[in-house]
Amino acid sequence: GAVVSQHPSWVICKSGTSVKIECRSLDFQATTMFWYRQFPKQSLMLMATSNEGSKATYEQGVEKDKFLINHASLTLSTLTVTSAHPEDSSFYICSASPGQAAQYFGPGTRLTVT
Amino acid sequence: KQEVTQIPAALSVPEGENLVLNCSFTDSAIYNLQWFRQDPGKGLTSLLLIQSSQREQTSGRLNASLDKSSGRSTLYIAASQPGDSATYLCALLNQAGTALIFGKGTTLSVSS
Repeated sequence: GAVVSQHPSWVICKSGTSVKIECRSLDFQATTMFWYRQFPKQSLMLMATSNEGSKATYEQGVEKDKFLINHASLTLSTLTVTSAHPEDSSFYICSASPGQAAQYFGPGTRLTVT
Repeated sequence: KQEVTQIPAALSVPEGENLVLNCSFTDSAIYNLQWFRQDPGKGLTSLLLIQSSQREQTSGRLNASLDKSSGRSTLYIAASQPGDSATYLCALLNQAGTALIFGKGTTLSVSS
C-alpha cells in the first residue's frame, strides 16, 4: 500500500515551453502533497506544499508564477513549469501525505530543458 | 532554522564491512527522523523511521539510532554488500512543520 506515482518519469522540452508533471496517490487519499527539487549531487529541497482545494504554499525563493501547482483532488497534484529554461533542468520529486506525519514519495521526474 | 548535516559525503568500503553513517541536526524539537535510500536517477526508498520518543529502529542489517539531546542519528549497516551501494539520505520532520528537511546524503560504494 501507500503507492505514489509520477508522470512522466522523464521529459525533454525546449526552452520557453511549459511542461506539466503529475503526482498521484494510487491507494490512499492525500490531504497534503509536497513538491521537491533535486539538483545533481544535492539534497532534496522543498519547493511548495499543497493542500487539496487550496492554494499552494511556496518556499522562499520559489517563483509561484513559474511553478504552478494544482491540487484539485485528494489523489492528484500537478506541477507546471512555465516558460522553462535550462536552469530549471532538475529532478522533481513529489510526496503525498494521508496525515499523521506520514509521507510517501513518488519515483521522480527528470526534466531536461534544451 | 533547522539544518541537517550528513558526514561523510562519500564512503567506499569493501564487501563485508560494517559501517556507520552520521546525521546531525541543529534543532532537537523534531517529530521524527527517517533514513532513505536513493539509487542514481531514482526516487526514495524509506528504510527506517524513528519517532522522537524512540531511541532506535532495526530492519534486517540496518539499525538507526536517535539521540535528540545531542542532535544526532546514525545508520549502522552490518555486513555490507555491493547491492547496498546507493546514496543514503537523512530527513527529519520538525514538530512545528509538515515537510521533511533533508541532508545532502552520503554516497556509499561497496566493492566486491
